[in-house]
Amino acid sequence: AQSVTQLGSHVSVSEGALVLLRCNYSSSVPPYLFWYVQYPNQGLQLLLKYTSAATLVKGINGFEAEFKKSETSFHLTKPSAHMSDAAEYFCAVSDRGGATNKLIFGTGTLLAVQP
Amino acid sequence: GAGVSQSPSNKVTEKGKDVELRCDPISGHTALYWYRQSLGQGLEFLIYFQGNSAPDKSGLPSDRFSAERTGGSVSTLTIQRTQQEDSAVYLCASSFRTGVPTDTQYFGPGTRLTVL
Repeated sequence: AQSVTQLGSHVSVSEGALVLLRCNYSSSVPPYLFWYVQYPNQGLQLLLKYTSAATLVKGINGFEAEFKKSETSFHLTKPSAHMSDAAEYFCAVSDRGGATNKLIFGTGTLLAVQP
Repeated sequence: GAGVSQSPSNKVTEKGKDVELRCDPISGHTALYWYRQSLGQGLEFLIYFQGNSAPDKSGLPSDRFSAERTGGSVSTLTIQRTQQEDSAVYLCASSFRTGVPTDTQYFGPGTRLTVL
């Protein structure tokens, strides 16, 4: 079975500060990992995904994530937070155990950006 | 191009009534997923369509929930005899290919269901 764990349900940073959102995975097979962002009253938007091509993945809006097998982690970072980054962020793993490739989500991290 | 659309955006119903939620996936996408987002359960998978067939219904919480997809396009999620615990945001997603775990799932804006 595959799963992801997001540490910290709420993270608050100052505008211009580093953003670090943590995600650890558990998987018996090489995982495919995703970060999605959800703005208020909107659906989920893909930020980036890891598909084993490269361990450092760059996404939209200046976000990136690094796949670290030794740490079973896929943390999301952004060097300088902007007010518009305030949203909820979800880490997910593709369920490769079955045929559906459904996404298994973490519990989410709500990011607040203080002026 | 057009993204995934869902209707209605909000639905308020009384306990015991039936509701239908609609999803229009991105044109040409063969895979379609329904998820549910609630405070207590987070984001959870409900059902997966490959074309018009649903090989994985494992996430449907009870037999009050059913879904269909027609013409390889529009999908409808039906909840019969709604209960208060059905209150949640129902999200639909589609992806271009089936059986490809790296394909991006594109999500609609969701339907917020409130059962009084």
